[in-house]
Amino acid sequence: DVQLVQSGSEVRESGESLEISCKSSGYSFNSYWIVWVRQVPGKGLEWMGITNPSDSDTRYSPSFQGQVTISADTSTNTAYLRWTSLKASDTAIYYCARPVRVNWGFDALEIWGQGTMVTVSS
Amino acid sequence: ESVLTQSPDTLSLSPGEGATLSCRATQFLPSNYLAWYQQKPGQPPRLLIYRASSRAAGIPDRFSGSGSGTDFTLTISRLEPEDFAMYYCHQYGNSPLIAFSGGTKVEMK
Repeated sequence: DVQLVQSGSEVRESGESLEISCKSSGYSFNSYWIVWVRQVPGKGLEWMGITNPSDSDTRYSPSFQGQVTISADTSTNTAYLRWTSLKASDTAIYYCARPVRVNWGFDALEIWGQGTMVTVSS
Repeated sequence: ESVLTQSPDTLSLSPGEGATLSCRATQFLPSNYLAWYQQKPGQPPRLLIYRASSRAAGIPDRFSGSGSGTDFTLTISRLEPEDFAMYYCHQYGNSPLIAFSGGTKVEMK
């Protein structure tokens, strides 16, 4: 089965750092970009950015540029989303997702992780 | 910057009825790069339709997508109890164009 399994819920205080993960299985990790999407509870979806595991090419939405770092480790088939200094406004569910097509990051999102809830207290 | 507007915000319908959801982009979407997702509480989104009218794997044929350019529609021909959920459209294709809509809630009347 093609799967993306994300790390568990996190609770942090404002100013702390955090890294959450997204482990893939059932497909060639190097062949598909990984996308990160934010959803504030009760609100809509926001596209954060993408990374290509095969060459580390990474792009960010202007809204998230400089706020997070997206990366991937091909030795463990895992993608990461990292913050160096969390804010209360980062409280949200974060999803990783895999596009429909190989080698194209700006695609519809076919496979989704279960989501990681990040709660940041001020 | 292109924006996606979805309507209506809420649809109140009964099982067996049909549902029509609209999604309008402020800019022309090349190659009809428009997707639809269903999301239920506590679950990630589920891809229903991509490239405006192609059903994703395993999606029942009561779900259909249509439209081109700037105006797109998701139609659910006969609502099943499991279809009551939030629905989002998503424009994609290249970085400046990527956006999700605010969503439509399909609720049971």
